Amino acid sequence: EAGVAQSPRYKIIEKRQSVAFWCNPISGHATLYWYQQILGQGPKLLIQFQNNGVVDDSQLPKDRFSAERLKGVDSTLKIQPAKLEDSAVYLCASSSSGRAGNTQYFGPGTRLTVL
Amino acid sequence: GEDVEQSLFLSVREGDSSVINCTYTDSSSTYLYWYKQEPGAGLQLLTYIFSNMDMKQDQRLTVLLNKKDKHLSLRIADTQTGDSAIYFCAENSGGGADGLTFGKGTHLIIQP
Repeated sequence: EAGVAQSPRYKIIEKRQSVAFWCNPISGHATLYWYQQILGQGPKLLIQFQNNGVVDDSQLPKDRFSAERLKGVDSTLKIQPAKLEDSAVYLCASSSSGRAGNTQYFGPGTRLTVL
Repeated sequence: GEDVEQSLFLSVREGDSSVINCTYTDSSSTYLYWYKQEPGAGLQLLTYIFSNMDMKQDQRLTVLLNKKDKHLSLRIADTQTGDSAIYFCAENSGGGADGLTFGKGTHLIIQP
């Protein structure tokens, strides 16, 4: 079974530019998560989707971050415009359903550097 | 708000047991997890424990939960060089929004 796929693996941009990340969850997984992991810290949840609906986006900086999962499968996370403090690894995870105890499987992440 | 605390570093000799500790504040935590992250890699789930349990064993891994003190530990028996990684404690409180709250991670350093 293929794991969670993310692209690109690395991205370097200048501040005020825009960037987008893509995630393809494990086949059949209804729940998809985006986490931000700043160097030296644990991952922080940005947004959770159940199918194509948003379950939790309370920690998403909505003035610059947006995410969508239009057909309930792939998802994109966008930052516009980027700031220096957005430098981090962006992790996508999926689970078969949004219930505690269901394993969240993580992708390899996209490492973003904002100069 | 929710908070998960871990010590940043743990150094052990190869062959000894490692004990990584974690404390959390959310009393509604339903599941508590241990994830492993190797350099440049994603997060790998090692084990998890439901809040109504106090111990779970899986091969070399033993998880102990003290719900009264909100304290979780992960014991790795016979620590090997391949166990060198960052270990994250995480929790979620169930319901529809089950995003994980992570600690900052404990770097496990293995001495030969």
